[in-house]
Amino acid sequence: KAGVTQTPRYLIKTRGQQVTLSCSPISGHRSVSWYQQTPGQGLQFLFEYFSETQRNKGNFPGRFSGRQFSNSRSEMNVSTLELGDSALYLCASSRTGSIGTGELFFGEGSRLTVL
Amino acid sequence: AQTVTQSQPEMSVQEAETVTLSCTYDTSESDYYLFWYKQPPSRQMILVIRQEAYKQQNATENRFSVNFQKAAKSFSLKISDSQLGDAAMYFCAYRLANAGGTSYGKLTFGQGTILTVHP
Repeated sequence: KAGVTQTPRYLIKTRGQQVTLSCSPISGHRSVSWYQQTPGQGLQFLFEYFSETQRNKGNFPGRFSGRQFSNSRSEMNVSTLELGDSALYLCASSRTGSIGTGELFFGEGSRLTVL
Repeated sequence: AQTVTQSQPEMSVQEAETVTLSCTYDTSESDYYLFWYKQPPSRQMILVIRQEAYKQQNATENRFSVNFQKAAKSFSLKISDSQLGDAAMYFCAYRLANAGGTSYGKLTFGQGTILTVHP
């Protein structure tokens, strides 16, 4: 069974640009969550999608957005990039997103560097 | 708001020895889950062990066990017979047990503890 796949694995952007990251969950998983990991702030929750609907959102500015497609694949977008957006972005999938059956399985992440 | 604190930025252990990683958390909720995740360098984060707050019995998974003290809001991880492959960043995480609202997909993580295993 394939794991959570994130693309691209590495990317470099400049300030002011935008970026789109992709996440393919484990087959059968309908919930996708996104996290930002930085040395200073650690791991912070961005948002969660289930059946194409955003159900939960962390405390990030509106420049951070996401969406989920009917096949459960998800994308997150960051517009008007700032230096502080440099981070490892992790995607996690689970069957339902609820705790009872909702163990999170993480991808390897997309490492974004903003110059 | 819930917070998770790992007070040990780095720990080291000799191969085959035992090491304990500390974690404390703060919550006003009574129904929640606690986790330890392992993140090896440049590799994906994987679940090591989980504990349901309503269970008094400490969870164990092979060489990994926890000491869950609900009243003290403490959740430490003990790794026995440490192996070189245990070297990684370890994260303690909290998740509200409610099925809706702010719990969907959301883990609250500690800052992590880097574990080094010496041969």
